[in-house]
Amino acid sequence: KAGVTQTPRYLIKTRGQQVTLSCSPISGHRSVSWYQQTPGQGLQFLFEYFSETQRNKGNFPGRFSGRQFSNSRSEMNVSTLELGDSALYLCASSRAGTALEEKLFFGSGTQLSVL
Amino acid sequence: DQQVKQNSPSLSVQEGRISILNCDYTNSMFDYFLWYKKYPAEGPTFLISISSIKDKNEDGRFTVFLNKSAKHLSLHIVPSQPGDSAVYFCAATDSGNTGKLIFGQGTTLQVKP
Repeated sequence: KAGVTQTPRYLIKTRGQQVTLSCSPISGHRSVSWYQQTPGQGLQFLFEYFSETQRNKGNFPGRFSGRQFSNSRSEMNVSTLELGDSALYLCASSRAGTALEEKLFFGSGTQLSVL
Repeated sequence: DQQVKQNSPSLSVQEGRISILNCDYTNSMFDYFLWYKKYPAEGPTFLISISSIKDKNEDGRFTVFLNKSAKHLSLHIVPSQPGDSAVYFCAATDSGNTGKLIFGQGTTLQVKP
């Protein structure tokens, strides 16, 4: 069974640009969550999607947005990039995200560098 | 406001000894806690979890202890192996926020041969 796939693996952008990151969950998983990892900050929750609907949202500005498609694949978009957006962006999937005991399976992430 | 805190950025232990990683939380609504391990250039992988109705959960060399009154949990690794060297993240969630985990900053564990 293939794991969570994130593309691209690395990305370099300049301030003011926008970027779109992609995530393909494990087959059969319908919940997709996004996290931002920066040094010293751990992983911070961005948002979670289930059946093409955003069910939960973290404390990030509106420049961060996402969507989920009918095949459960998800994209995350960051507009008007700032230097502080440089981070590892991780996607995680689970079956339905409705039970506490459901484990999140993470992809390897997209390393975004904003110059 | 950091709701989940791992106050030790790093820990170094000898192979065969016990590794103890600590985690504190502030939100009394949290009722499920997890530990994830992360190697460089890889995503975090689930290690072990514990529900708030328990105070201990064991899986092989890994044991997680929960002290609800102190809002503290710890991960014990016995015996530690060089392959355990990684970043360990503590995470918490509550039943109203499925799909959303609150992570600590992580502790880098180095197990020396």
